[in-house]
Amino acid sequence: QKEVEQNSGPLSVPEGAIASLNCTYSDRGSQSFFWYRQYSGKSPELIMFIYSNGDKEDGRFTAQLNKASQYVSLLIRDSQPSDSATYLCAVNIDSGYSTLTFGKGTMLLVSP
Amino acid sequence: NAGVTQTPKFRILKIGQSMTLQCAQDMNHNYMYWYRQDPGMGLKLIYYSVGAGITDKGEVPNGYNVSRSTTEDFPLRLELAAPSQTSVYFCASRTGQQNYGYTFGSGTRLTVV
Repeated sequence: QKEVEQNSGPLSVPEGAIASLNCTYSDRGSQSFFWYRQYSGKSPELIMFIYSNGDKEDGRFTAQLNKASQYVSLLIRDSQPSDSATYLCAVNIDSGYSTLTFGKGTMLLVSP
Repeated sequence: NAGVTQTPKFRILKIGQSMTLQCAQDMNHNYMYWYRQDPGMGLKLIYYSVGAGITDKGEVPNGYNVSRSTTEDFPLRLELAAPSQTSVYFCASRTGQQNYGYTFGSGTRLTVV
C-alpha cells in the first residue's frame, strides 16, 4: 500500500511564529507534491505544489522537497489566526500520475 | 466561472435507498475524481475519469458506480445505501497537465440512517 503520512496534530503555534508541517511518502517514484488547506466544513484548497528538490516560496508559504529522504514540508511564516486549518499533503503516486493520494492532514492552530 | 459544482449539499438516506450525487465542471477539464472524507481519515479515492467515456476504480469503489458521458459531468451513483457510506463526498477536476492540482467542489454531506 503506497502511503502518505502526516502527524495529525494539532500543531499549536503563537501568532507571528513559523509553523512547520511535515509529510512523508512511501513511493520513490512519486513526482509531484501538493499542499492543500482545508477549513472546517469546507473543501480543500490548493496552496502550493512542488516537483523539484529544494525550496519553493510563495508569499508566506515555503514548500520543501527532499526526494532522497522522501519527505515534503510546508513552512508558514508569520502565522496568523486565519491560518488555523487542516493542511493536507497530496502526492502523485500512481504510475500514470492521474490521481493524488492524500495524507490524513495536520491540524494547525494559531493562537492570537 | 462556476468551477466545480456539486449537488445536493446535504442529504439523508435510509438504508437500502439509492441516489446520485451530481458533479459538473465548466473548466473543460479532462480529469475528474470522486473522493470521500471521513473524520480523521483523510480523502479516499472512489472513482476517477481521464476523459469522456473512460472511468476507473480508485481505492474504495465498492457500493458506488460512475459514468462519464460528457466532459462536464461526472455523477456518482450509490446503490443500496449503507451506514458505512455516511461521509462527505468531494468531486474534483484538473487539467491534463501533471503539475496542476485539483479544483474541488464544495462537497456533499451524506448521512445514511
